[in-house]
Amino acid sequence: QITLKESGPTLVKPRQTLTLTCTFSGFSLTTSGEGVAWIRQPPGKALEWLALYYWSDDKRYSPSLKNRLSITKDTSKSRVVLTMANMDPVDTATYYCVHRSQEGYSGYDIFFDYWGQGIPVTVSS
Amino acid sequence: RAMTQSPGTLSGSPGETVTLSCTASQSISSNLAWYQQKPGQPPRLLIYDASSRATGVPARFSGSGFGAEFTLTISNLQSEDFAVYYCQQYGNWPPTLSFGGGTKVEIK
Repeated sequence: QITLKESGPTLVKPRQTLTLTCTFSGFSLTTSGEGVAWIRQPPGKALEWLALYYWSDDKRYSPSLKNRLSITKDTSKSRVVLTMANMDPVDTATYYCVHRSQEGYSGYDIFFDYWGQGIPVTVSS
Repeated sequence: RAMTQSPGTLSGSPGETVTLSCTASQSISSNLAWYQQKPGQPPRLLIYDASSRATGVPARFSGSGFGAEFTLTISNLQSEDFAVYYCQQYGNWPPTLSFGGGTKVEIK
């Protein structure tokens, strides 16, 4: 059974760097085809993809946020870490850690079948 | 690639059939997923590849479309189906995954 859980601060100040950790189980990020991503959702708004870490150590970022994001993994502890620099109140959102579905035919098929419960992050001074 | 969903809100009665639309700003072949989100919960994958149901998804949920126009149809609407539905495009490289703005299905 695949599970993912987000952890980190729920309140950060403007201009600070946010660091979120996703701890997962039920799969290995060293297995071909596996991937873990981060998606966020501002209150009452739509979903926004942020970053993706592939089994091959390939990392991909949202073009609009790539200059602020970094995604890394700790294979030994089944964790993926997202950092987002220079936080602003508009970054207030629930941040989700998600598992890339293995149902796709190719590496281009990126959709998500398991989601963490999400962690609400507020940016305020 | 921008994704546009319509309508923003859809009212339906239990037992009815409702149709949700998702339009891509350019052709995405059949590279489209649908998610259902209930208040206070993370989204749940319903459909991928435009028309394939995810594991455990009831047959009353069906997806169709190709290119830039897609629909999610919910037949025999059940009380547990009242939620917000999002579409998501994929399939390009490097990935620029994007979601639609959502359609809220509410009780009439």
